[in-house]
Order: sequence, then structure tokens, then C-alpha cells
Amino acid sequence: GENVEQHPSTLSVQEGDSAVIKCTYSDSASNYFPWYKQELGKRPQLIIDIRSNVGEKKDQRIAVTLNKTAKHFSLHITETQPEDSAVYFCAASRFGNEKLTFGTGTRLTIIP
Amino acid sequence: ETGVTQSPTHLIKTRGQQVTLRCSSQSGHNTVSWYQQALGQGPQFIFQYYREEENGRGNFPPRFSGLQFPNYSSELNVNALELDDSALYLCASSSTGTAYEQYFGPGTRLTVT
Repeated sequence: GENVEQHPSTLSVQEGDSAVIKCTYSDSASNYFPWYKQELGKRPQLIIDIRSNVGEKKDQRIAVTLNKTAKHFSLHITETQPEDSAVYFCAASRFGNEKLTFGTGTRLTIIP
Repeated sequence: ETGVTQSPTHLIKTRGQQVTLRCSSQSGHNTVSWYQQALGQGPQFIFQYYREEENGRGNFPPRFSGLQFPNYSSELNVNALELDDSALYLCASSSTGTAYEQYFGPGTRLTVT
């Protein structure tokens, strides 16, 4: 089955700097890659996603890039703010809304 | 905030007991997926329900079972609870077709003692 690896497990960034989180996946048939943000004690919140027919997608300060050949995708957060502090999970799935396989998470801390 | 709701918020059970967790999907969504999130881990897929039928299952034993109702709400049942079942149980609501997004409910925190 699918295996998703996520790095780093923890990341501390000065406020205003950029943060990058990377994931690799094993199943070449995966074609949907969402990113979720989970604050302490709260639900995972979908922040951005990308499908396999696109190499990059951007939404304000957040962007995701996908390299299908290398089977990896990355989350980029620019101009980080204290409210960006949370655990971020990448995930992958084969078709539409089928099961998501999650990475192990990255705890991002923004230092004021 | 999504329109996905779950109940109860917290639950404490004893090993060997049975538990039922509930999920109401977001309006317009016909598919519910259940995930188990152990402390410090990513969510793990348990199973998915579409049109009241199980539509895919993860690596969980048969004592984890579910239902989906005509209004698309869903239940997760766990029999013969074990200590390792202690986790946050999340349901995610989605729709078939071109929309791929899955939206999570707030979760039920289950503690097995």
C-alpha cells in the first residue's frame, strides 16, 4: 500500500521567514495531495491541495509543488506569522475522495 | 469551520466494553470516512461509507464496524475495546465526482482504561 514520509518532524522558523515541509510517496498511482493544518486539540483543516496534472499551486502565502517523477511534494509558507504555528500533515490518495494516507506530521513553531 | 459534526466530544470506557461514535456529514456530501489518530501521529484510515455501503477499509480488525444512514450520517462501532484503541477518532465528509476534498469533524477523544 501507499507510504508517505514527511520531513522534518519539527521546524522552528523566525517570524517573517519562510518554512518548507517535504513529503515523499510510494504509490505512483496517487494523484491527489492535500495538506492539513492541525492546531492543538482541533480538527485537521485543509489548507491547500494539488492534483497530479498540476506542478504548482499557490494561495496567498501558501504554495504546494509536486514532482511526480520523483514522487515528492512540498509545502511552502512565506512571510510566516505566529498563527502559522501548528502541526502540518501531508497526505496522498489515488482517486478523488478515496482513502487518504497521511505523513507523520511536522510541528512548525514560529518564533516571534 | 466545516459543517461536519461528531458526538460525543470525549468518552472514557473500560477495556472489553463497546462504543459507538457518531458523525454528521456536511450538507451536500454523501461520503463519510473514519480515521484513527493516536497521540503524536497522523490519522490512519479505518473505512469509508458511500451510499450506506462500506467502500474501502484500512488495516483495522473486524471489531471496528460502521454504518451509514440515508441522510449520510454515520456511526463507528468498536467492540471489545483494547487499551491501544485510545485515540482521537475523526470522521471526514466528502462528495463523489470532481470534488476531491475531505473535511474533518472535530473528533471524539476516546480513552480506554
